[in-house]
Amino acid sequence: AQKVTQAQTEISVVEKEDVTLDCVYETRDTTYYLFWYKQPPSGELVFLIRRNSFDEQNEISGRYSWNFQKSTSSFNFTITASQVVDSAVYFCALRPTIQGAQKLVFGQGTRLTINP
Amino acid sequence: DAGVIQSPRHEVTEMGQEVTLRCKPISGHNSLFWYRQTMMRGLELLIYFNNNVPIDDSGMPEDRFSAKMPNASFSTLKIQPSEPRDSAVYFCASRNRKYEQYFGPGTRLTVT
Repeated sequence: AQKVTQAQTEISVVEKEDVTLDCVYETRDTTYYLFWYKQPPSGELVFLIRRNSFDEQNEISGRYSWNFQKSTSSFNFTITASQVVDSAVYFCALRPTIQGAQKLVFGQGTRLTINP
Repeated sequence: DAGVIQSPRHEVTEMGQEVTLRCKPISGHNSLFWYRQTMMRGLELLIYFNNNVPIDDSGMPEDRFSAKMPNASFSTLKIQPSEPRDSAVYFCASRNRKYEQYFGPGTRLTVT
């Protein structure tokens, strides 16, 4: 079965703090893709990153970084020096590669609130 | 480049009426997806197309829902007749060959 678990339903921190959003996935595929999306209060879903299962290098983009650990089936997202504009719901997603199963499997999302 | 375009952005209609949601995917993307988002069920995939062909419609709730993609630059999702429980935000997304899905701004549907 394919499943994504974001155990943190809500997180609230004060501006400038670092915050990590957890994502744990389940799949029997040996090749798959992982994604993070941001949904700000305006409602649109914004693509943040895609990761291949065979590339375990961590990625950094400005204040955002992602830690992919295949051994623990986790793909965590860290925001450094958080800002109020980072307030949003963040979704982790998995795309297996079983033939025909081209859907994204989404976690339930983590609502992140950054307080000034 | 223009992103995924959806119209209308908001739709309020009465129960029993037909509703048509529209989507223009990003040019060059070969797959298109329709999702529904509600507080109770989160994001649900309704249907997706590859090269304009419907591949998996197992997420379509019932026969009242139908989707078409007559060409690579346009898709519709129709609900007929609409019911209050169809109230949700409907997203269209298109995907490039790197499997990156880009979402439209969504259509907020309210059925009274």
